[in-house]
Amino acid sequence: GAVVSQHPSWVICKSGTSVKIECRSLDFQATTMFWYRQFPKQSLMLMATSNEGSKATYEQGVEKDKFLINHASLTLSTLTVTSAHPEDSSFYICSARAQKVPGLAGGNTYEQYFGPGTRLTVT
Amino acid sequence: QKEVEQNSGPLSVPEGAIASLNCTYSDRGSQSFFWYRQYSGKSPELIMSIYSNGDKEDGRFTAQLNKASQYVSLLIRDSQPSDSATYLCAVLTSGTYKYIFGTGTRLKVLA
Repeated sequence: GAVVSQHPSWVICKSGTSVKIECRSLDFQATTMFWYRQFPKQSLMLMATSNEGSKATYEQGVEKDKFLINHASLTLSTLTVTSAHPEDSSFYICSARAQKVPGLAGGNTYEQYFGPGTRLTVT
Repeated sequence: QKEVEQNSGPLSVPEGAIASLNCTYSDRGSQSFFWYRQYSGKSPELIMSIYSNGDKEDGRFTAQLNKASQYVSLLIRDSQPSDSATYLCAVLTSGTYKYIFGTGTRLKVLA
């Protein structure tokens, strides 16, 4: 259980275009989803937190008008990189948090399950 | 600023040995701690979560937590070359309920 999918797994786009990345929790409902970015040989950097039905909360330094996040349902969040530039090339990873993990007794665990990531290259 | 510290490594251990990975954190109010494994070019995979002081075992993995010392560790017994990866320590911050990740420790298991 606790599977998160992400699509596409890789994308190459031209500078100035927009790219949409989808993140889905397949077998649980995710009240909270997170979007991270990771540059080579660096740790994960949290970009934003999204809760279903409300506006995303962006981390300091992340442009909310450039990285549009929509969390339309309990199983789907999307990240749109608008007017992409080469410096936006990175590995984008979503994660989903379930309040109750399927098959796990008890209350909140706050465990996060990561999607496989999307490698974005902007040319 | 709340921080999570890990030795970046690489930590090299021979196959079959015990690998010991350490993590310290600054937020004394943190109650939830997680270890993730990340292979090169892949996303993190949850290995263990631990919430109470002491040891928690799952197969070849044992997580240890000492809240008084603000220290959490991961032991990997009978290390295998397939365990070679970067291990990320994540701490759930009190109040915001977001993870803070350490920079990760790169483990190399030598065949």
